[in-house]
Amino acid sequence: QVQVVQSGAELKKPGASVRVSCKTSGATFTSSAIQWVRQAPGQRLEWMGWINAGNGDTRSSQNFQGRVTITRDTSASTAYMELSSLRSEDTAVYYCLQEDWGSFRFEYWGQGTLVTVSS
Amino acid sequence: QSALTQPPSASGSPGQSVTISCTGTSSDVGGYKYVSWYQQYPGKAPKLMIYEVNRRPSGVPDRFSGSKSGNTASLTVSGLQPEDEADYYCSSYASSNTYVFGTGTKVTVL
Repeated sequence: QVQVVQSGAELKKPGASVRVSCKTSGATFTSSAIQWVRQAPGQRLEWMGWINAGNGDTRSSQNFQGRVTITRDTSASTAYMELSSLRSEDTAVYYCLQEDWGSFRFEYWGQGTLVTVSS
Repeated sequence: QSALTQPPSASGSPGQSVTISCTGTSSDVGGYKYVSWYQQYPGKAPKLMIYEVNRRPSGVPDRFSGSKSGNTASLTVSGLQPEDEADYYCSSYASSNTYVFGTGTKVTVL
């Protein structure tokens, strides 16, 4: 069965960067896309971007104005999301999920990673 | 990229039906069949309930159904049960290989 496990909670200062990891198992990593979604406290889900785990192509939301970088390590079946120039509004739970490439199904979600931005 | 519009809340008594709308544009909901719905309990990750407008993943009760007309998609929960009380979000594939989520609806079982 597919499992998606994310790294632990982070506390960062404004202006810093954070990197969240997302390790998958149970499905062919290079045949999938890893999507990233965040949710600020009490707020809605917000799509951030994706990476094609096979060829490394990425796409991210314009709402983040180039602050999001998504990478992957195929040997470790792990994807990474780095968010730079953090501000307090970036405090949120960050989710990754594994999607069979081209299926448009967001079925396998990680447990979420809380990122807190505070001075 | 604006969020899809959902009503903030919806409610019904056990056994009744509730329908949640999700309104977008021709660049997202109206333009593609890739509309999904998610159920989320407090402090938990979302769970996929409907994909491709009206298809259910394995294990999702057939009380959950989806539809779409023009730029508006809908999720109907029939035969409401106490465990259906949760937040529900829609999402849609949008142009340029992007996605957008809805504003979310809190469903209360009275």
